[in-house]
Amino acid sequence: DAKTTQPNSMESNEEEPVHLPCNHSTISGTDYIHWYRQLPSQGPEYVIHGLTSNVNNRMASLAIAEDRKSSTLILHRATLRDAAVYYCIIYYSGYSTLTFGKGTMLLVSP
Amino acid sequence: DAGVIQSPRHEVTEMGQEVTLRCKPISGHDYLFWYRQTMMRGLELLIYFNNNVPIDDSGMPEDRFSAKMPNASFSTLKIQPSEPRDSAVYFCASSLGLDSYEQYFGPGTRLTVT
Repeated sequence: DAKTTQPNSMESNEEEPVHLPCNHSTISGTDYIHWYRQLPSQGPEYVIHGLTSNVNNRMASLAIAEDRKSSTLILHRATLRDAAVYYCIIYYSGYSTLTFGKGTMLLVSP
Repeated sequence: DAGVIQSPRHEVTEMGQEVTLRCKPISGHDYLFWYRQTMMRGLELLIYFNNNVPIDDSGMPEDRFSAKMPNASFSTLKIQPSEPRDSAVYFCASSLGLDSYEQYFGPGTRLTVT
């Protein structure tokens, strides 16, 4: 299984960029890297996913290391509404489900 | 689309009672997932369906739990009899596919068993 390692928590100031790291050294070549977040009292929300190349969408950017053993979720300008638990998940090609770890709690200060 | 719809949003019941949680997935999504979230265990998958057929129920904790999907737009998760340790938030999610597709989660049902 491709396990992930994330910091328990991170802090940021509003309107500053945030880089959320994730290590997944045992990832296989066909496993996707997914990021979800969970705001307080809400269900998880999809953020972004990728395989090998860096990805951008309206919410965030995903930077994937060349060896794919780590990735970084980038929020370009944090807002108070971005305060949430962010989960980095490896979606195994041989498995069919997401396995959520403990994630990183992001605190955003005004 | 209204997103994944779950009902009820909150359920309080007494130990031994039957509890039924309901989910309406996003139209056109072929996959439906049931998750449970607790402080102790985090978010864990209970069961998932593909085209209304249960594919993997290895996460269902015990025989007291059962899930059905009678059609593409409706699924239920039933607990009978309920126990206090079943208290948790239960999420339903749906998706178009698996590893390269995102899952869309409902708002959850907070279950309290006294």
